[in-house]
Order: sequence, then structure tokens, then C-alpha cells
Amino acid sequence: DIVMTQSPDSLAVSLGERATINCKSSQSVLYSSNNKNYLAWYQQKPGQPPKLLIYWASTRESGVPDRFSGSGSGTDFTLTISSLQAEDVAVYYCQQYYGTPLLFGQGTKLEIK
Amino acid sequence: QVQLVQSGAEVRKPGASVKVSCKASGLTFTTYYMHWVRQAPGQGLEWMGIINPSGGSTTYARKFQGRVTMTRDTSTSTVYMDLSSLRSEDTAVYYCASGVRATHIFDYWGQGTLVTVSS
Repeated sequence: DIVMTQSPDSLAVSLGERATINCKSSQSVLYSSNNKNYLAWYQQKPGQPPKLLIYWASTRESGVPDRFSGSGSGTDFTLTISSLQAEDVAVYYCQQYYGTPLLFGQGTKLEIK
Repeated sequence: QVQLVQSGAEVRKPGASVKVSCKASGLTFTTYYMHWVRQAPGQGLEWMGIINPSGGSTTYARKFQGRVTMTRDTSTSTVYMDLSSLRSEDTAVYYCASGVRATHIFDYWGQGTLVTVSS
């Protein structure tokens, strides 16, 4: 199984500042035949289902603000929010889809400082 | 637009079974795989398995094998998740989700169904 580990577990950032969440996989999720990283990021607000933000490690889903960006390759990935807005308060999860079982990171709770 | 509408909340006693439905609209039902993901109160996301609505083939997470059954009804564009031998640890919100961008990406989600297991 490809285990996903996020850091930190929680994060408090001032409005307008940058927020960075890290995700590490226990083995590479880079598929050599197409050079794609099978890594997605989700945002979940209380009482709502998760929302897809980023897939293929760095492709922003349609409608997602451009302050959200994903980077990384192989086993180490980062979700960056360039300028934190109040509506970004949520729990963020990474997920590998390189193979089953499809596993998520434990989540990172993002709050306003 | 794509919509996944799930059945309502359920309460079951330990040892019982529960069947949750997820009706899809706005997409070609037999084209896109459907997943089930659950979330215990205050906890993270846990993938349970996937069903191919076209042929009905399934893959289940090891943890749920023998207890979960995923089926579909193409005439109503509905997928079902049946979980048996319920225990208190199965109390969770159960989500269906579809992978349109890619098979194993969850780009559309149902609203969730709370299943409470309590004696």
C-alpha cells in the first residue's frame, strides 16, 4: 500500500499570508510511461463533502482560484495557498491514485492566525 | 451538471446491515467508475472500494472485503453500497464519488449519508 503522510497536522496562518502543506508518499507515485504524478489535493469544509482542488499534482481543477497551486514529484508534494483568504479555512487532504487501495493523507487543518 | 444524490440517514443496531444508494445524473452513467469513501466523526477519509457501472465489476479495500457489496442499476443510474455485520466503528458519513477526470480521482461527490450504529 502507498501510505500518505501530511505535515503539519494543523496550521495557523494570517490573512494574506502564504500557507504551505506538505504530503509525502511511501513510494513514488510518478508513472514513468506518461511522466505524470498520480497525486490529488482536496479541500473539506465542515459539513460538506471534499472538493477536488488539484490533480496530476499540479493541475488546478476548473473554478479553483489561482492562489491554490500544487507542486512536487515522485514522493514529495506541496499544496500552496499564496495569499490566505477567510474562506480557505478547511481541512486539506492529499490522495494518491497510483494504485489501489486509494489512500489519503491524514489531513491538515488550516486556520486563521 | 453532474449530480450525485444519496439516500437519507440510517440508524442500525450492531450486527445489522445497511444499504446506501447514490443516484447519478448529468453524466453517462456507464462511462465513469463510482467509488465509496467514508469518514468517521472527526476523522479522515477512508476509501472503501470502486464499481464499474458498465459491467458491474468491483474492487474492495482489504479492510472491507467480505462485509461490503457494491452494485449498480443501470436503468436508474444508481449505485448501491451494502455493508453488513455493522459495529459501532462503522458509524460514519458515507460518500459516493465519481472519477471523471481520471478513474481514481474523486471529482464529483454525493452529499453524504450518515450511518449510525448503536444499540
